[in-house]
Amino acid sequence: GQQVMQIPQYQHVQEGEDFTTYCNSSTTLSNIQWYKQRPGGHPVFLIQLVKSGEVKKQKRLTFQFGEAKKNSSLHITATQTTDVGTYFCVRNGGSQGNLIFGKGTKLSVKP
Amino acid sequence: DVKVTQSSRYLVKRTGEKVFLECVQDMDHENMFWYRQDPGLGLRLIYFSYDVKMKEKGDIPEGYSVSREKKERFSLILESASTNQTSMYLCASEQGGNIQYFGAGTRLSVL
Repeated sequence: GQQVMQIPQYQHVQEGEDFTTYCNSSTTLSNIQWYKQRPGGHPVFLIQLVKSGEVKKQKRLTFQFGEAKKNSSLHITATQTTDVGTYFCVRNGGSQGNLIFGKGTKLSVKP
Repeated sequence: DVKVTQSSRYLVKRTGEKVFLECVQDMDHENMFWYRQDPGLGLRLIYFSYDVKMKEKGDIPEGYSVSREKKERFSLILESASTNQTSMYLCASEQGGNIQYFGAGTRLSVL
């Protein structure tokens, strides 16, 4: 239904390696958001993508929204230990601002 | 900066107790949300409110109720706590743009 599917569920990388997480929806999305939750912390908004094919960058993070607006990806170049956490893609749930969270990709980085 | 404050970081209660989880935001946001977060299940929406005295059920409202008497405060109530309500509870607020700001979370253990 309205769920967004994220893969992989877990990813372990060596510091300096790249990392990518993918988010897929069976329906067209009006927009997609990404949040990060550090271990022991709470989700923090990273970015929102709205346009078909949109690509946005935040330092080493690159976010992409698919042409069909049914998928998105987050790519981290040269991971650092500060990148550790769970990355959630999030879609609108309907009216009044409620959101539907994917189950997240948990990233661990080995120094 | 938006601040969302949850009254307790950790809480231990007994089965059958009535439990109140309090959340206060300081940005005059219209919309407020309560989620629970469990390993492998991600964030699931319990209830949300888009105005004072207004509430809407989320995906898992059973066993919970909410109160929004003032705009800045949104309370989650467990009428009779049960062990399956042991979880991390996250409050969030939002004002247009769909960006949600989360509190630090309350880790509730029901014994």
